[in-house]
This record gives sequence, structure tokens and C-alpha cells, in this order.
Amino acid sequence: DAGVIQSPRHEVTEMGQEVTLRCKPISGHNSLFWYRQTMMRGLELLIYFNNNVPIDDSGMPEDRFSAKMPNASFSTLKIQPSEPRDSAVYFCASGIEQFFGPGTRLTVL
Amino acid sequence: AQKITQTQPGMFVQEKEAVTLDCTYDTSDQSYGLFWYKQPSSGEMIFLIYQGSYDEQNATEGRYSLNFQKARKSANLVISASQLGDSAMYFCAMRAGAQKLVFGQGTRLTINP
Repeated sequence: DAGVIQSPRHEVTEMGQEVTLRCKPISGHNSLFWYRQTMMRGLELLIYFNNNVPIDDSGMPEDRFSAKMPNASFSTLKIQPSEPRDSAVYFCASGIEQFFGPGTRLTVL
Repeated sequence: AQKITQTQPGMFVQEKEAVTLDCTYDTSDQSYGLFWYKQPSSGEMIFLIYQGSYDEQNATEGRYSLNFQKARKSANLVISASQLGDSAMYFCAMRAGAQKLVFGQGTRLTINP
């Protein structure tokens, strides 16, 4: 198994642009989690899905953030419009054991 | 509310020594799980070990063991025979009730040759 796959690994964009982060969970895992990591706030859960259904999105910072899971093998996290304070590493994790993907390092200029 | 506390921002240990990373937790749930992750400088989060609240034995995984003291609400990670490659950030996390994890602030471990 390839593990959790995230793309892109690095993203540099300008303020105001739309950003889409992608995640492919481990096959057979029913739960998927999106986390954000910053120096100031550490690791924060943004949203998680169970069987493709969003269960808890209380960690999503504001309406600029949205997440979807159209099927069991794919999820997206979208930021529109992006702001410099969104710069962070975004992790996707899957399964009860929460195996993490490699993360996407987002820089918003 | 669930909370994880890691009181050691940084630790320095001599190679081949054992090291204990502290973690205390707070929850009112009876059923919960405790996790440790390693984050090297490359940035990935590596799952190390898991302990369930009803597990009677301390979890072990190779050189990693979890010293689970339920009454004290502590879940310290013990690394035996430390290696240079163990240098990294280490995060303790808890899952209680819902599936999501709550993380501590982490401990930066440096192994000296």
C-alpha cells in the first residue's frame, strides 16, 4: 500500500488565489482527517469525514475553507480566497489509527 | 474537554541512553486512546505507538514502549537505546469520544553522539 497520498507537496500562491489540496486515503479506511500545523498553534484538526460524510467541521477557520469527499478514495480541501495567514503545513490522515500523509506545505504571499 | 500536556519543550540525550518523553492527559471519558507520533525535520508525521484506555498491558513496538499510568493520567513514551535518527519532534495525542485527535505541543528530542 502506498500510504496516504497528498498533492501537491508544496504550493506557493498569491493572496486572493484559490488553493486546492488533495488527499487519497489508504484503501479500506473509512475515516479521513484534515489537519493544519503552524508554529503558533501546533496541530489543529480542521474537519473529518466518516464514510465520506463530514462529521465535525468545527475546526474549519472560516467560510473561506471548504472540504469535500466525493468518494472513499479522494478528498479535497479548498481555500478561496487564500490569505497569508493560511500559510501552514496541511496534513491528511486516514483510518482510526490516523496514518498521516506527507503533508502539503502552503505558502501564501 | 480533552487536553494533552507535554511539559518538556526540548530534551538532549546521549546516544544509546534510554529516554522518557512525558505526556499527561485530561478527559472525562472512560474510553479513550493515546498515540505517539514522531515528526523528523523532513516534516512527515510517523505513527509510533498506540495505547487503549482498557488495555491492561503497556504497549510496546520495537524500541518504543508506552508507560501508561491511568490513575495519574500519564502516557509517557520510552525509547530504549536511543539512536541519532531518533532526533525529531515527538507528539502525544489522545482520542476520546469522537474519532478526532487532540495533540500536545510536542517535545523536540536531540540525540547527541
